[in-house]
Amino acid sequence: DIQMTQSPSSLSASVGDRVTITCRASQTIITYLNWYQQKPGKAPQLLIYAASSLQSGVPSRFSGSGSGTDFTLTISSLHPEDFAAYYCQQSFSVPRSFGQGTKLEIK
Amino acid sequence: QVQLQESGPGLVKSSETVSLSCTVSGGSISSNYWSWIRQPPGKGLEWIGYIYYSGSTNYNPSLKSRVTISVDTSKKQFSLKLRSVTAADTAVYYCAREDYSTSSGGYYMDVWGKGTTVTVSS
Repeated sequence: DIQMTQSPSSLSASVGDRVTITCRASQTIITYLNWYQQKPGKAPQLLIYAASSLQSGVPSRFSGSGSGTDFTLTISSLHPEDFAAYYCQQSFSVPRSFGQGTKLEIK
Repeated sequence: QVQLQESGPGLVKSSETVSLSCTVSGGSISSNYWSWIRQPPGKGLEWIGYIYYSGSTNYNPSLKSRVTISVDTSKKQFSLKLRSVTAADTAVYYCAREDYSTSSGGYYMDVWGKGTTVTVSS
């Protein structure tokens, strides 16, 4: 099974900041990596698929990059509504697996 | 636009079986993989398994001995049965559609239900 490790587990930032979250896979997953945002009490929402493709309707301040085992999610300029939890997920193989999550908090 | 809605009992006793359903509306169930994911209180997401509309399944090995996922295309529903539940199974359970990008390659879960809370009592 593929293990996904995110860092950091939590992050404090201010509106307007640029933030980066990293995700590492225990083996190569090529570019089969997705990113989700989850707000309290809500279901996750897809942000990025295939490592760098922006899901329809997602603001362009979100971007993803990486291949192989190392991936990043970048928010270029934080908006108030971006403070949430973020999860990476691999779709290279089954069982599917998620990172443990990164909680983005307001500084 | 496809929407998913989970349903099931909110409370189940330890050692019993919990049965959840997910109803697909606004689109066809006869394509895609259909997944179940859960999230214990204050914790991260755990993939339980999925079913293809044809009935083929794949489960998380950590739950495989206790889980069955089935599909009823005539009702546009897919279902989860989790047997011999314990307090560790207390969680919000989500259903989701897994779609595939022909342009970029790869699968992703692009439509999620709102989730249903299952609490296991002793």
